Amino acid sequence: GAVVSQHPSRVICKSGTSVKIECRSLDFQATTMFWYRQFPKKSLMLMATSNEGSKATYEQGVEKDKFLINHASLTLSTLTVTSAHPEDSSFYICSAPSADYAGETQYFGPGTRLLVL
Amino acid sequence: AQSVSQHNHHVILSEAASLELGCNYSYGGTVNLFWYVQYPGQHLQLLLKYFSGDPLVKGIKGFEAEFIKSKFSFNLRKPSVQWSDTAEYFCAVNARGGYQKVTFGTGTKLQVIP
Repeated sequence: GAVVSQHPSRVICKSGTSVKIECRSLDFQATTMFWYRQFPKKSLMLMATSNEGSKATYEQGVEKDKFLINHASLTLSTLTVTSAHPEDSSFYICSAPSADYAGETQYFGPGTRLLVL
Repeated sequence: AQSVSQHNHHVILSEAASLELGCNYSYGGTVNLFWYVQYPGQHLQLLLKYFSGDPLVKGIKGFEAEFIKSKFSFNLRKPSVQWSDTAEYFCAVNARGGYQKVTFGTGTKLQVIP
């Protein structure tokens, strides 16, 4: 199956700093990627849809100025958490639909655990 | 908008017991249905998926799920669980049409006791 990677896998930062998380589709092109957030013992919450070459689409309640998304190429989307605060600590997961089955199946990255001190 | 509900939040079974996890979805159009598993400390893995055709879908590791359209359900089953099946299981749905966002259920934590 298709492979999606994320970097870094874990990051610890100080409050007020910005953190960039990368999501890469390794063996396929992804014009669309999705960013999710998973709280402890909770389900995945969709944050935004990342579109190559255009602006991301954010879900209701997600601050687009705080969670900056850039989809610069067909294999890379980045999520930047700006001016991070402790409440932003979470597990961030990206996914990308593969062209197999006409994009009906999504492949998930391993996630990035963010801890803001 | 679509939504997914999983009725069992935490299930505890002994090894060799049978498993059935409930999943119901709500959406006005045609959907794709998925079950994902997340083992402790690991990332999401696809267990099985339903797009169309035979409503009984077989996945990896002996899991299967049945799509019952009239009940808007997609329950996950396994006849005999193993300790290694201890994990969190997520039912998910997206709209048919490709490249659509996925909506997840709240997850069911399965604990299998040796």
